[in-house]
Amino acid sequence: AQSVTQLGSHVSVSEGALVLLRCNYSSSVPPYLFWYVQYPNQGLQLLLKYTTGATLVKGINGFEAEFKKSETSFHLTKPSAHMSDAAEYFCAASPGRSNDYKLSFGAGTTVTVRA
Amino acid sequence: DTEVTQTPKHLVMGMTNKKSLKCEQHMGHRAMYWYKQKAKKPPELMFVYSYEKLSINESVPSRFSPECPNSSLLNLHLHALQPEDSALYLCASSLGTYQETQYFGPGTRLLVL
Repeated sequence: AQSVTQLGSHVSVSEGALVLLRCNYSSSVPPYLFWYVQYPNQGLQLLLKYTTGATLVKGINGFEAEFKKSETSFHLTKPSAHMSDAAEYFCAASPGRSNDYKLSFGAGTTVTVRA
Repeated sequence: DTEVTQTPKHLVMGMTNKKSLKCEQHMGHRAMYWYKQKAKKPPELMFVYSYEKLSINESVPSRFSPECPNSSLLNLHLHALQPEDSALYLCASSLGTYQETQYFGPGTRLLVL
């Protein structure tokens, strides 16, 4: 079974500082990987995704993530945090088998941005 | 356009009420999903419809009844809910089901009194 682990349930950064959110997956078959953001009282918005090809993926709002197969990781970064980045972030994986399409979510990381 | 719409935005209901949540997408997606999300937790899958047929039911209590009238619409009928069913209910859709990106709606915030 697929599982996704997000290290750190809460990350606090200063405005302008680097944002780094960690995500590791466990799968014998490389999955598709996603980062979603959820602002308070809203649904999930897709930030970026990795399917195949280039391992460095750029998303919306200045975020990017790098797929590292050897480390089974898909960490999310943003060079300079903005107050508007305060939200809940979920890493998710879609399995590589056609008969199992359940999206597995990590537990989530809450990001707060200090002025 | 990657928009999934959900109505109502908020819903308060008593334990004896019957109500319905509605989800709509016009992206030509053939898979639609219902999720339940508690505060500070990831979404939990409830149901998956693929080509208007129910393909996954994650052992959800029968007081939740999904319906897919056509490829653009997904309903969730609610009856005799319990206070612990209070949560954010999210709808999502994807082009197909195999490794496809899921696009989420804004959710319906449900409070059961």
